[in-house]
Amino acid sequence: GAGVSQSPRYKVAKRGQDVALRCDPISGHVSLFWYQQALGQGPEFLTYFQNEAQLDKSGLPSDRFFAERPEGSVSTLKIQRTQQEDSAVYLCASSPTTHQPQHFGDGTRLSIL
Amino acid sequence: DQQVKQNSPSLSVQEGRISILNCDYTNSMFDYFLWYKKYPAEGPTFLISISSIKDKNEDGRFTVFLNKSAKHLSLHIVPSQPGDSAVYFCAASTEGYSGGGADGLTFGKGTHLIIQP
Repeated sequence: GAGVSQSPRYKVAKRGQDVALRCDPISGHVSLFWYQQALGQGPEFLTYFQNEAQLDKSGLPSDRFFAERPEGSVSTLKIQRTQQEDSAVYLCASSPTTHQPQHFGDGTRLSIL
Repeated sequence: DQQVKQNSPSLSVQEGRISILNCDYTNSMFDYFLWYKKYPAEGPTFLISISSIKDKNEDGRFTVFLNKSAKHLSLHIVPSQPGDSAVYFCAASTEGYSGGGADGLTFGKGTHLIIQP
């Protein structure tokens, strides 16, 4: 497809398990962003990549959160030793450069039991 | 501390009338503002943006107004249509024309717009 693709759409995990969320940005988009959206809130910034370089990770809530984009295209957000407060929708967005509006995927809804 | 505030959780407007959604911000470093529309179970969809050097930007039925001195922006939808029923998010950036730059976007909590037939 032409848009940002995220998988899985839904993920249920037990507390303490590790999870990996995938984002396929729009082809050719240099910039990639991850956001976390809790119920009833707006998306909150987690981290930003320009190509393969992670230029900003100031929004990652703890060292259990890790993101990578090794070849400057697909990105993975990994959460280790999940906790109930990690339950949220995780949104990925991409833009052609840093001077264009971001286009969002439909998100991964993560539920930690 | 919320840097972008949308004080109306919901707004109901009759079809054909004007919808006005409001947004206030506190960070004077913000210089680029965007509106996104979101349907349930979908990601936000970009609607319209405005940079701080302008006070108005128009795209079809959508117009965004920026009042820098008041740190306030608004989205006008004229005429409102049933398909406009969605949650609208105001977002801001400090990177100037970047729509996110290196800092990411700061979002409000959203306003649920309901268009009544």
